[in-house]
Amino acid sequence: SQTIHQWPATLVQPVGSPLSLECTVEGTSNPNLYWYRQAAGRGLQLLFYSVGIGQISSEVPQNLSASRPQDRQFILSSKKLLLSDSGFYLCAWTPGLLNEQFFGPGTRLTVL
Amino acid sequence: GEDVEQSLFLSVREGDSSVINCTYTDSSSTYLYWYKQEPGAGLQLLTYIFSNMDMKQDQRLTVLLNKKDKHLSLRIADTQTGDSAIYFCAEKTGNAGNMLTFGGGTRLMVKP
Repeated sequence: SQTIHQWPATLVQPVGSPLSLECTVEGTSNPNLYWYRQAAGRGLQLLFYSVGIGQISSEVPQNLSASRPQDRQFILSSKKLLLSDSGFYLCAWTPGLLNEQFFGPGTRLTVL
Repeated sequence: GEDVEQSLFLSVREGDSSVINCTYTDSSSTYLYWYKQEPGAGLQLLTYIFSNMDMKQDQRLTVLLNKKDKHLSLRIADTQTGDSAIYFCAEKTGNAGNMLTFGGGTRLMVKP
């Protein structure tokens, strides 16, 4: 069966510090991968998606970047965090030909 | 562009039925989804419906789709306190990367 992991579960970082959030998927190959952000009390905003290794599409201009160094690994990064980067970050995957997205447990990021 | 809207809040008594509504604008959407998010957790896919269907029932869940009005609803029969969560509807948009557009979420509160 397939599982999706996110690390870390929670993170508190000062403004201006770097960020690296990791998402890994097990039990499948060549998944489509997604990063979403959920601000407090609000819906989901798609940040990045990837259809393959090294292929990243960005949905909104922002302070964040994403990379896909391996087939089942998706990383969300920032060189310098802003207060507005605080939120709940969710990684999701979908098999290439199907439509359901399966979500990881999320990472709660607080920037102080 | 695509837009998915939901009411923010719904309160029901335990044992009653809950109906969560959603409207969307993209008439070319092919799949529509309902996700459940419990506090501090990721999103869990509850059910989905293909756009050529009017209704889908799965145990206590009934999804109704009015494609003419672009209206989607989720009915939860015999609502329990464990159903308290945020419910997101989403539509599949475009073909690249199987992206989903999410509504802002409806917070369901079930009172004992």
